[in-house]
Amino acid sequence: EVQLLESGGGLVQPGGSLRLSCEASGFTFMNYAMSWVRQAPGKGLEWVSGIYGGGGSTYYADSVRGRFTISRDDSKNTLYLQMNSLRAEDTAIYYCAKGEQWLPSHFDYWGQGTLVTVSS
Amino acid sequence: DIVMTQSPLSLPVTPGEPASISCRSSQSLLHSNKYTYLNWYVQKPGQSPQLLIYLASNRASGVPDRFTGSGSGTDFALKISRVEAEDVGVYYCMQSLQTPLTFGGGTKVEIE
Repeated sequence: EVQLLESGGGLVQPGGSLRLSCEASGFTFMNYAMSWVRQAPGKGLEWVSGIYGGGGSTYYADSVRGRFTISRDDSKNTLYLQMNSLRAEDTAIYYCAKGEQWLPSHFDYWGQGTLVTVSS
Repeated sequence: DIVMTQSPLSLPVTPGEPASISCRSSQSLLHSNKYTYLNWYVQKPGQSPQLLIYLASNRASGVPDRFTGSGSGTDFALKISRVEAEDVGVYYCMQSLQTPLTFGGGTKVEIE
């Protein structure tokens, strides 16, 4: 059974940093692209960033490029999102999502999400 | 960026009756490999999104056959043949032709 478990969310001040993690199980993690998708309170879905399996190419939404960094440790089956220079508009639930072997692709599994709140 | 536009915003439905959601993209989602990169998700209340349809018309594993995806180019539809109470939630289309991946604004399906 595929499972994605996010952690690392919390309350942070504007300008601060946070690192999210997503621990994966139930599939051969290194073979699949992974993404982060966020959802602001009461709003729709926004793709944030994606990374190929094996730590290859990375992709970002314009809204986070230069502030967020996606990475993965295939030996630990874990996906990361380093978020710097956080802004109020980054407040959202952040979901980890499993793609196919390529990017871009649809997401066949999603985690339960971790809430990030940026506020003073 | 490819803009995804859904309609309606809200869809009151009656159990047992059909329902349809429309999604339009700002450019064709047909790839040169002949696949069409349009996907549908549903987010039920209090839950994470889950995949319903991928590549325009393929039902994801475990999705009931009352859900059907159709369309081509820039115009797509998700149809529910007979709505059940468990189908309430917000439905999103998403294009996976190119980055940035983009979603429609969502259609809230609720029981009348």
